[in-house]
Amino acid sequence: EADIYQTPRYLVIGTGKKITLECSQTMGHDKMYWYQQDPGMELHLIHYSYGVNSTEKGDLSSESTVSRIRTEHFPLTLESARPSHTSQYLCASSDPLGARSSSYEQYFGPGTRLTVT
Amino acid sequence: AQSVTQPDIHITVSEGASLELRCNYSYGATPYLFWYVQSPGQGLQLLLKYFSGDTLVQGIKGFEAEFKRSQSSFNLRKPSVHWSDAAEYFCAVGPPDSGYALNFGKGTSLLVTP
Repeated sequence: EADIYQTPRYLVIGTGKKITLECSQTMGHDKMYWYQQDPGMELHLIHYSYGVNSTEKGDLSSESTVSRIRTEHFPLTLESARPSHTSQYLCASSDPLGARSSSYEQYFGPGTRLTVT
Repeated sequence: AQSVTQPDIHITVSEGASLELRCNYSYGATPYLFWYVQSPGQGLQLLLKYFSGDTLVQGIKGFEAEFKRSQSSFNLRKPSVHWSDAAEYFCAVGPPDSGYALNFGKGTSLLVTP
């Protein structure tokens, strides 16, 4: 059973505010990901990490930043929120142990629905 | 260009009827294939996956999917749908050269009627 948590679940915030979306997993997974999901659209990878002190940008350009100081924690920060940042943000992790192919299986958190007014 | 296509944006089926959700992919090599389900306000849950071997894979909640290399397809099926199956379904692929990132389709929204 996967254990990956995201807080807050819902956030309504004004333009210009700094926000941090939290993501934590208790499975010891090295790989973690942030996706952005708009209604009726596919998930877009915005950031990923292969381990502590490793972060990379994904396919979708994002004004957010991430950090990976601890294996279990992968927060996403928006320095100055804008209405265009309104979306659902999903965090995921994957297990690098075992057969190579199994490392593709990603476990998802419940998501944070962000609304910027 | 690499892509994942779910041709049906919305599907409506009656409870007890059979279901098939389509997924086609475009990649140079056979990728790893997944189906995820997302209930409203929730994250994604893995239904099943295909890496190699038997092309018919069984998943949770009575779902199965069949990989057809010649058609570049990985369609999801269920013989008898339950009202609780109403959700959004996402097909995803993980190409071996992607660096472990998954590419998702746009999803198919399933509505189950009484």
